[in-house]
Amino acid sequence: QSVLTQPPSMSAAPGQRVTISCSGTSSNIGNNYVSWYQQYPGTAPKLLIYENNKRPSGIPDRFSGSKSGTSATLGITGLQTGDEADYYCGTWDSSLSGFVFGTGTKVTVL
Amino acid sequence: EVQLVESGGGLVQPGGSLRLSCAASGFTFSTFWMSWVRQAPGKGLEWVANVKPDGSEQYYVGSVKGRFTISRDNAKNSLYLQMDTLRAEDTAIYYCARDILQMRIDHFDHWGQGTLVTVSS
Repeated sequence: QSVLTQPPSMSAAPGQRVTISCSGTSSNIGNNYVSWYQQYPGTAPKLLIYENNKRPSGIPDRFSGSKSGTSATLGITGLQTGDEADYYCGTWDSSLSGFVFGTGTKVTVL
Repeated sequence: EVQLVESGGGLVQPGGSLRLSCAASGFTFSTFWMSWVRQAPGKGLEWVANVKPDGSEQYYVGSVKGRFTISRDNAKNSLYLQMDTLRAEDTAIYYCARDILQMRIDHFDHWGQGTLVTVSS
């Protein structure tokens, strides 16, 4: 059972913006850095955002991350059909002494 | 180029054992934490375990403690997951991932393609 809560799905038209929330507690998001992963069907996840708001090389600046208190947010601007995928947040949980992922959000481009 | 290649998956009966391997290349394996992450069919991601660069510390998700053992051989640039007393709910794709773990920081910057483990009679 995931300890980080995300909306199951989100959708928007091409060119629009979507924001995906990730809600946790003080033992995870509240005191540790958050990362985000993108996963297409049948493929391995890919790191999208790390340390709350940093992008690995090659990730376009249309993707952004932020954190406030015990919640984090992934933003995608200028939505493209290629952004249709599942998105997961994740962080270390100090109480569980383990990494925890969010429940995942499926993004659909209308 | 960082590469992680998993192997060892397959069909096993409930209560059986399986050993997964992950061959790493393109980076100094002995200096990085490594993790196993799994994904049951149609479900989300679940972190399974990680191991310190020198192999001296391991952490596990509660559901596999006492049944799974993560280990590594730095001389062979390889990561392993010994899975014992397997259950139907362990059925999943198992990914090997490079784990960037520091104080308050943890994320997975490279992933393998995954290997499928099916537990069924």
